[in-house]
Parts: sequence; structure tokens; C-alpha cells
Amino acid sequence: QSVLTQPPSLSAAPGQKVTISCSGSSSNIGNNFVSWYQQLPGTAPKLLIFENNKRPSGIPDRFSGSKSGTSATLGITGLQTGDEADYYCGTWDSSLSAWVFGGGTKLTVL
Amino acid sequence: QVQLVQSGSELKNPGASVRVSCKASGYTFTDYAINWVRQAPGQGLEWMGWINTKTGNPTYAQGFTGRFVFSLDTSVNTAYLQISSLKAEDTAVYYCARPNWNFPGWRWSDPWGQGTLVTVSS
Repeated sequence: QSVLTQPPSLSAAPGQKVTISCSGSSSNIGNNFVSWYQQLPGTAPKLLIFENNKRPSGIPDRFSGSKSGTSATLGITGLQTGDEADYYCGTWDSSLSAWVFGGGTKLTVL
Repeated sequence: QVQLVQSGSELKNPGASVRVSCKASGYTFTDYAINWVRQAPGQGLEWMGWINTKTGNPTYAQGFTGRFVFSLDTSVNTAYLQISSLKAEDTAVYYCARPNWNFPGWRWSDPWGQGTLVTVSS
């Protein structure tokens, strides 16, 4: 059972927009920064969003992040088949003194 | 460029030990910690703990004490994960990842190593 809660799966058509939610508590998302990771099939996770809403260089602006209270959201616009991947949110949990992840969301673009 | 390169896949018998290496390049090794993350087949990411690369002090997450050891060789900018008394349920891909600093409460981890598959089977 993950500390952070994400929907297990989502699907959308190419060109559409999708949002992936990540729900936590005051000990993690509520008081710490959230990052998002994209894991394409058979590859290592890759940083997509850091400090709630910042994109590393090379990440297209189709990807966005936001945080409100104890929840965070990853948005992807203009969906492409290459966006099919597992997406994970992560943050520090101050009560557990641990880095915690969501269970992951499998995005299908069909 | 900043990168972490891990050692290759391992096939081990139950009860054996394995050591996974994570070699850093492109930055000052002792300025950033190293995280270890496990991903069992078909499962999500599970944080195993981290090691402070300046002091060598390891911190293990719940469920990863006893058989798991993090270590360093700063002369070759490499972090190690050793797992002893291997069990079938240790079969997983193990990743190292670099947090944005060298103390708890980091804000993100980047980059990640390519992952090392450890298979435990007789």
C-alpha cells in the first residue's frame, strides 16, 4: 500500500489532455515538494517535473505540474503514442523520514 | 554529462549474496547522496533508503534492514548495494538515483541509473 495515492490506470486518445492525480497528507505533499517521473516500458524512471511545477530542460511544455494542499496533479496535453508509460509521483515524508512514491499510473494512448 | 551507470544483470541462487554497483560521473560525487529504489516485476517503485556520500552514513527504509547494505568507494565515485541471504522475493530491478542534495528532505532525484535486474532462482 503506497503512501501516496494515484489512479492505477488512465486512457485517452491522441491529441487529448489527461491529468493524473496524486493524493497524500500534511506530512508529505502538504509540506514538501512533489516530483513526477515517467517510466517508459523497459526503461528507468526519468524526472518529468520537480518542485511541484518545474520542468527540467528537454521536457516539453506539454507536461505540467501543480499542487494544492495535500494533492498534486500532472497534466499532459496533446497526447502522443510515445507518452504511453507509467507515471509516478514522489515526495519526502517528514513523519516517516522517507522518500515516498505513489503506486504509479499506467497511461494508455489509444 | 551527469550520469549513473549500474552493473549488469545477476542470476543468483537462493541464500547467495549479490553486489550491485552504481558509478557516478559528470559531477562531484560527494556533493550529492545516492538513493536506492527497488521495482519488483510488474510493481511500482519502492524506496530502499539512501547513503550520504560525504559521511558514508547509510539510512535504510522500513523493510530493508538486516540483509541490505549500502556502501561507497569514493576513490572511484561508486556506490554499492549488497543483498545477502537472497530470497526469491528479492527478484527485482534495483535502481540508484541522485537526490538534489546530500541530506534528508530532498526535492527530486535525477538522474537515475539504468537499473540492474537481480533474479533469484535455483
